[in-house]
Amino acid sequence: EEQLVEAGGGLVQPGGSLRLSCAASGFTFSDYDMHWVRQFPGKGLEWVALITTDGDTHYPDSVKGRFIISRQNVNTSLYLQMNSLRDGDTAVYFCVCEGFGMGAFDIWGPGTMVAVSS
Amino acid sequence: QSVLAQPPSASGTPGQRVTISCSGGRSNIGSNTVNWYQQFPGKAPKLLIYNNHDRPSGVPDRFAGSKSGTSASLAISGLQSDDEAVFYCSAWDDNLNGPVFGGGTRLTVL
Repeated sequence: EEQLVEAGGGLVQPGGSLRLSCAASGFTFSDYDMHWVRQFPGKGLEWVALITTDGDTHYPDSVKGRFIISRQNVNTSLYLQMNSLRDGDTAVYFCVCEGFGMGAFDIWGPGTMVAVSS
Repeated sequence: QSVLAQPPSASGTPGQRVTISCSGGRSNIGSNTVNWYQQFPGKAPKLLIYNNHDRPSGVPDRFAGSKSGTSASLAISGLQSDDEAVFYCSAWDDNLNGPVFGGGTRLTVL
């Protein structure tokens, strides 16, 4: 069964850092572009980061310079290093696989909650 | 404020056909394919439609997607009570170099 499982969420103070991880199984991880997507408490979804199969990375302006996405194909894991966290980063963070290309995410993890608050 | 515009709510009775719209611009829907997701409370979104109209394995053909210009729509026929969920559209955005999402439409089966 194709599966993604996130870990590493929690409560952090503004300005703090957090590292999320995502364990993949049941599919050939190295063959797919991987992303992080977040969902704010009000329910809106926002794309956070992309890492291609070649290791190229892309971010929206809202997180560029603060977040870093990385992957380790050997242990089929995806990571998101989040620095200089702000209140507005509070959300559930999903690890997702772009299985069908063009941003079509066919595999989602259950999500991990990140709360930024003093 | 989501990049793609969706109505916040939609409703129908069992057996009816319901349509959810999604409006974007030239850099997203106008240039790329549209995907649709279904999300139940407390769960991750699930891919329902990709490439404007294709369904992943296991998605019933009661769900149909279409696109025209900078707009797209999701049609659900033979509405069932367990279709109640929030539906999101998304499309790759060439300016962002990443996907953008609609704000979501909450479907109620009356």
